[in-house]
Amino acid sequence: QQQVKQSPQSLIVQKGGISIINCAYENTAFDYFPWYQQFPGKGPALLIAIRPDVSEKKEGRFTISFNKSAKQFSLHIMDSQPGDSATYFCAAARQGSGYALNFGKGTSLLVTP
Amino acid sequence: EADIYQTPRYLVIGTGKKITLECSQTMGHDKMYWYQQDPGMELHLIHYSYGVNSTEKGDLSSESTVSRIRTEHFPLTLESARPSHTSQYLCASSRGTGNTIYFGEGSWLTVV
Repeated sequence: QQQVKQSPQSLIVQKGGISIINCAYENTAFDYFPWYQQFPGKGPALLIAIRPDVSEKKEGRFTISFNKSAKQFSLHIMDSQPGDSATYFCAAARQGSGYALNFGKGTSLLVTP
Repeated sequence: EADIYQTPRYLVIGTGKKITLECSQTMGHDKMYWYQQDPGMELHLIHYSYGVNSTEKGDLSSESTVSRIRTEHFPLTLESARPSHTSQYLCASSRGTGNTIYFGEGSWLTVV
């Protein structure tokens, strides 16, 4: 059973545009929501994470928006660059699980020049 | 940058062979994890450990086994590999609670 649903599966954005990836979850016990970036042949690397006590977190060009009532969170990449082309995974975890992550299916982002 | 290492990075073996994928971290993390990822797909947790002599099965059933005899080492073993085991295996670690999970670069296993 997919605990975290992610969309879209793939995304093409022009350089300078905004990339938006959405995720939804069901388990209200989740209290940690990270986004991971994965380049081909590499392991995922943490990009940015948020906890449910805040509605937004921004780090450089990357912003997480969190809607606790809707059980949704999204990643916004401002001024998208070709170097941002990668697969992005949202995830959710709860403290009782030792923060073992439940991943979405991933979004393949291509930023065109 | 994460100090978590996986070997081998790439392995092609025959059906029925026993293989061990090695994972070591030098960060002193107490928690370690194994995820399985098929190409272009999501990651599935197959094993995790909270510390030495602690191992638990993850959400995805796996025929592999793990051990945690030392804090820094979390090997994964397949006693008899099958083509269905062909996948990428990612090791990860974290410290305490509420902290970042760091991933290794993965081990690509192909069973022919």
